[in-house]
Amino acid sequence: GAGVSQSPSNKVTEKGKDVELRCDPISGHTALYWYRQSLGQGLEFLIYFQGNSAPDKSGLPSDRFSAERTGGSVSTLTIQRTQQEDSAVYLCASSLNHRGDTEAFFGQGTRLTVV
Amino acid sequence: GENVEQHPSTLSVQEGDSAVIKCTYSDSASNYFPWYKQELGKRPQLIIDIRSNVGEKKDQRIAVTLNKTAKHFSLHITETQPEDSAVYFCAASIYMDSNYQLIWGAGTKLIIKP
Repeated sequence: GAGVSQSPSNKVTEKGKDVELRCDPISGHTALYWYRQSLGQGLEFLIYFQGNSAPDKSGLPSDRFSAERTGGSVSTLTIQRTQQEDSAVYLCASSLNHRGDTEAFFGQGTRLTVV
Repeated sequence: GENVEQHPSTLSVQEGDSAVIKCTYSDSASNYFPWYKQELGKRPQLIIDIRSNVGEKKDQRIAVTLNKTAKHFSLHITETQPEDSAVYFCAASIYMDSNYQLIWGAGTKLIIKP
């Protein structure tokens, strides 16, 4: 079956430009996470959506970062006025999240390079 | 806030030997503990998980143990092989704002020496 899909796979952008990254979660999954992973580093939590609840935005590093999840399905992560330090792989994950069974399925990631 | 600590950050073992990675968590209400493997350039994938109502789970060469009293859980890999080389992440579910979330460890880079 279809897994978590992210687009684009790679994005090169000029410093100062805005970028949008897209995540299509597995159908029926109510929970959706965005993470940032720099080369050789761990999973840096950015934002978490769960159903109709208010998202947990506690991981967003600055007000240049924002995310939406429309209709409880597709999510977009927007980075405004990109900086070189924003270069990383951005991973999206979704989970069914039933009664705490929170197995997360990851997308292949979007590799963002800011030049 | 709630957190998960993972040790060691890097582990190098001889092929055929065992590897053990340990994680501790802070939320006593955590009830789900997965382990993910991330090979170079790929996405993290679940390799084994354990729920709070059991103390140990095995799947061929990998096993996970859970000590709820001490709030720690461990990944054990026996008879290590070159393909076990990867970064391993642990996680724990926490109950926050009426929802469950996964909180991740920082990862362990496992190197299998031939």
